Amino acid sequence: SAVISQKPSRDICQRGTSLTIQCQVDSQVTMMFWYRQQPGQSLTLIATANQGSEATYESGFVIDKFPISRPNLTFSTLTVSNMSPEDSSIYLCSVGKGLAGAGEQFFGPGTRLTVL
Amino acid sequence: KQEVTQIPAALSVPEGENLVLNCSFTDSAIYNLQWFRQDPGKGLTSLLLIQSSQREQTSGRLNASLDKSSGRSTLYIAASQPGDSATYLCAVPGGANNLFFGTGTRLTVIP
Repeated sequence: SAVISQKPSRDICQRGTSLTIQCQVDSQVTMMFWYRQQPGQSLTLIATANQGSEATYESGFVIDKFPISRPNLTFSTLTVSNMSPEDSSIYLCSVGKGLAGAGEQFFGPGTRLTVL
Repeated sequence: KQEVTQIPAALSVPEGENLVLNCSFTDSAIYNLQWFRQDPGKGLTSLLLIQSSQREQTSGRLNASLDKSSGRSTLYIAASQPGDSATYLCAVPGGANNLFFGTGTRLTVIP
């Protein structure tokens, strides 16, 4: 298994500002994933954070809006830039254990963001 | 593109009842299927992982089945308790360890 922590657990931010979310894992992992869950919706993958290379973004998400850092194998950050109320969501990081595409996924407790 | 659907969207049952949650997926070429629990405003807790070679997996009062050829999985909860109230999500891999999630079933167990 994997134990994942996220900071902050929640925040209320003003429009136009930026927030950086931290994700820490208790073991080394190759890939970390960032998801967004908008109110009443299921999870949508934002990007895959790879150590030593740029993050890979899914369709509809861009680096300027959601810059990601991955300085080592246990840590990653996601920044939500120039926020608007539409960015109000729960942001979750996750990691996979086992073979790519065949292993179990573990999730952090999430960061609940409200943008006024 | 893989699509995952869960039925029903919401379910309310009295305490003690057995219940079944359904999950269907369009692309049967999956390595596994995972069931999660999410409490309101919180992260996801992994409940069960079924590999494609397995037909079912059990953990306590939970039993998950997988019929890969028909693109279906069920999560059976026995003797439901108020503490089981949560949203239950199923998910299948989309390659490189990311997941495609279902829409979720919001379960309420009434004391």
